[in-house]
Amino acid sequence: GENVEQHPSTLSVQEGDSAVIKCTYSDSASNYFPWYKQELGKGPQLIIDIRSNVGEKKDQRIAVTLNKTAKHFSLHITETQPEDSAVYFCAASKAGANNLFFGTGTRLTVIP
Amino acid sequence: DSGVTQTPKHLITATGQRVTLRCSPRSGDLSVYWYQQSLDQGLQFLIHYYNGEERAKGNILERFSAQQFPDLHSELNLSSLELGDSALYFCASSFHRGKANYGYTFGSGTRLTVV
Repeated sequence: GENVEQHPSTLSVQEGDSAVIKCTYSDSASNYFPWYKQELGKGPQLIIDIRSNVGEKKDQRIAVTLNKTAKHFSLHITETQPEDSAVYFCAASKAGANNLFFGTGTRLTVIP
Repeated sequence: DSGVTQTPKHLITATGQRVTLRCSPRSGDLSVYWYQQSLDQGLQFLIHYYNGEERAKGNILERFSAQQFPDLHSELNLSSLELGDSALYFCASSFHRGKANYGYTFGSGTRLTVV
């Protein structure tokens, strides 16, 4: 099955700096890569996703890049704010499978 | 409100007992997934139901079982509870259209404490 690895496990940045979280996947058939944000005491929330037919997608301060050859994808958060502090999960799945394989999570702390 | 409803929000029970967690998926979603999240751990996939049928099993213990009813709500049954079963249990739902994948919508979870 698919194996998704996520790094780093914890990340601290100063407010206003950028944060980057990286994930690798093992199954070359995977073609859908969502990112989730989990705030304390809440369920994970989808914040951005990318499909394998594009290399980059942006939504305001967040962006995701995908390198299919290297089988890795990354989440970029620019101009970080304290409310960005949360646990972020990457995930991968392949067409028709609909089962998401999650990374182990990154705890991001934005220091005011 | 994500549209996925989980009840109860909190549950405290003794070892050896049995509990039922309930999930109502977002309107229109046919798939329900159950995940377990222990303290500071990742999301462990338990089981997936699609339109009433079991589609995939993950690391689900034999003491645990689930079902999805005709109205698409799902229940996760946990029996012979042990201290190590204390965790957050999340339900997620998704909509399938052809072979395209769509993200999950998670509920707010049920926090189970076994004492």
